[in-house]
Amino acid sequence: EAGVAQSPRYKIIEKRQSVAFWCNPISGHATLYWYQQILGQGPKLLIQFQNNGVVDDSQLPKDRFSAERLKGVDSTLKIQPAKLEDSAVYLCASSLDLVEYGIGAASSYNSPLHFGNGTRLTVT
Amino acid sequence: KQEVTQIPAALSVPEGENLVLNCSFTDSAIYNLQWFRQDPGKGLTSLLLIQSSQREQTSGRLNASLDKSSGRSTLYIAASQPGDSATYLCAVGLVAGGTSYGKLTFGQGTILTVHP
Repeated sequence: EAGVAQSPRYKIIEKRQSVAFWCNPISGHATLYWYQQILGQGPKLLIQFQNNGVVDDSQLPKDRFSAERLKGVDSTLKIQPAKLEDSAVYLCASSLDLVEYGIGAASSYNSPLHFGNGTRLTVT
Repeated sequence: KQEVTQIPAALSVPEGENLVLNCSFTDSAIYNLQWFRQDPGKGLTSLLLIQSSQREQTSGRLNASLDKSSGRSTLYIAASQPGDSATYLCAVGLVAGGTSYGKLTFGQGTILTVHP
């Protein structure tokens, strides 16, 4: 099974420039996540997609960050303009979670998250 | 707000030793708990996932336990090897219901070094 693919692996930009990251999840995985991991900390969720819809973007700095998942497969995360504090590793993850809706009820199951190797962003 | 804490922050042990990593969380209304491993410059690899209804999970030399009422989980590594050296992260998933059931809150990790 091919893993989660991310590109580029590294990116160095100056503050106020723009940058975009790309993620291709594991085939068939309905849920896709973007996490930000600052050095020495655990990852923090930025945005979660279920197929091509946004499930949670409460921690996404929407004044400068944007993300999309067209056709429910690949996803891009953009930062415009970048700040020094955006220096971090940006991790994409996917999982097989599905939510099925029946009459008057929803059932769901969850599975482990599979992470890509991340994009290390340095803002100077 | 859910907070996850891992102790110790770093651990160095000789090869062959059994060891325990600790994780605590403030809100016991969790959906699941996962332990991950992260190697330098790499993403995270899921090691074990414990559903909220379970008490423990085992995989090879790894055993993870969950005590929701006390807000604690432990990861036990038996007969440690140099290849186990990595950062180990604990993450809790929010309670089901609504649409954020897959959102994970991570601890800051424990850096493990196993020396020959």
